[in-house]
Amino acid sequence: DAKTTQPNSMESNEEEPVHLPCNHSTISGTDYIHWYRQLPSQGPEYVIHGLTSNVNNRMASLAIAEDRKSSTLILHRATLRDAAVYYCILRDTETSGSRLTFGEGTQLTVNP
Amino acid sequence: ETGVTQSPTHLIKTRGQQVTLRCSSQSGHNTVSWYQQALGQGPQFIFQYYREEENGRGNFPPRFSGLQFPNYSSELNVNALELDDSALYLCASSFKQVNYGYTFGSGTRLTVV
Repeated sequence: DAKTTQPNSMESNEEEPVHLPCNHSTISGTDYIHWYRQLPSQGPEYVIHGLTSNVNNRMASLAIAEDRKSSTLILHRATLRDAAVYYCILRDTETSGSRLTFGEGTQLTVNP
Repeated sequence: ETGVTQSPTHLIKTRGQQVTLRCSSQSGHNTVSWYQQALGQGPQFIFQYYREEENGRGNFPPRFSGLQFPNYSSELNVNALELDDSALYLCASSFKQVNYGYTFGSGTRLTVV
């Protein structure tokens, strides 16, 4: 599985935007970029995914570099409920039903 | 729509015993996966089931086994429990399409003493 690299931790203030980076220099052409987050005492929660183009949904935006070797998850206005561990994961489209390979993720702290 | 539900939420077992954890998939989902999450680490893939057959397995010994039922509910069985099996066990369901997200349950916290 192609690997991703994320900062161990990041900090933000409430109601400010947050940009969570992810490097995936060995990404293949068939890999989708997925983001999940895990709040304390809960299972991971799907946030967003994309292949080549930038993506938006009600939770976040995903900005994908033109060479696809990096991506950024954008939370437009952080709230205290966004404090969680955020995981950037690559999923291979060639392997249907493929596993999620979690790294250590980024622990996001949101200050009031 | 219902989410993924797991039972029990907490469990304490003795080394050498066997345990069965249960999962009800989200309505309409046909694929279920199980993950083990040790404290302070990301979840690790155990195995996945699709149409009642194992469809991928992570680096876990054979004493970890599973079942998927026609209604897409699932079980994780662990035999000969070891202290290192103490972890949060997560169930996740999805459609068998890689560009769909997984829906996770809140997990079962297993403690082996």
